[in-house]
Amino acid sequence: AQTVTQSQPEMSVQEAETVTLSCTYDTSESDYYLFWYKQPPSRQMILVIRQEAYKQQNATENRFSVNFQKAAKSFSLKISDSQLGDAAMYFCAYRPYGNKLVFGAGTILRVKS
Amino acid sequence: DVKVTQSSRYLVKRTGEKVFLECVQDMDHENMFWYRQDPGLGLRLIYFSYDVKMKEKGDIPEGYSVSREKKERFSLILESASTNQTSMYLCASSLQLSPNTGELFFGEGSRLTVL
Repeated sequence: AQTVTQSQPEMSVQEAETVTLSCTYDTSESDYYLFWYKQPPSRQMILVIRQEAYKQQNATENRFSVNFQKAAKSFSLKISDSQLGDAAMYFCAYRPYGNKLVFGAGTILRVKS
Repeated sequence: DVKVTQSSRYLVKRTGEKVFLECVQDMDHENMFWYRQDPGLGLRLIYFSYDVKMKEKGDIPEGYSVSREKKERFSLILESASTNQTSMYLCASSLQLSPNTGELFFGEGSRLTVL
């Protein structure tokens, strides 16, 4: 069975600093997608960033970037210049082609001012 | 922007009651999903639908059923609510899984408490 593991239940970061959230996954597939979703308190979940497994280049979206290590089955999210609005629950998710998303347990990110 | 609307943000029901959770999306998406979110467990798929009147079981369908009579509406039904169904329920929609990447668009969630 495919699984997604987020080993950090909670993380804290000082405003303007950089934080990295970890995610590992288990799969025998070679082609798939990886996602990071953000769920702010009492607000709807939104997509932060996605990565196609066939692309070697790491995805970036403004202050958000990923470190995708396919051989290690690792997909970490780096948030640079952290802002108060980044405080949320972050979910890592994996999706093989033509199949459904599998989510990790989530990491709560707290941002200190 | 895609909008996914869940009819109730908070519900309190009693054991044995029938519960309906409604979800409407306005972007003509083919796929709709119901997830359950519990601390430490992440999101678990209950049911999904890829077309009107079509449904497939997810990972935890026991105790739930769904209805999709119209493309924009996907309902989750708890025939006889139990305390272990106290949870946050998230509805989501997406375009076809293939060739699209299947990015999900979520509603704000419905927090159900069963007493």
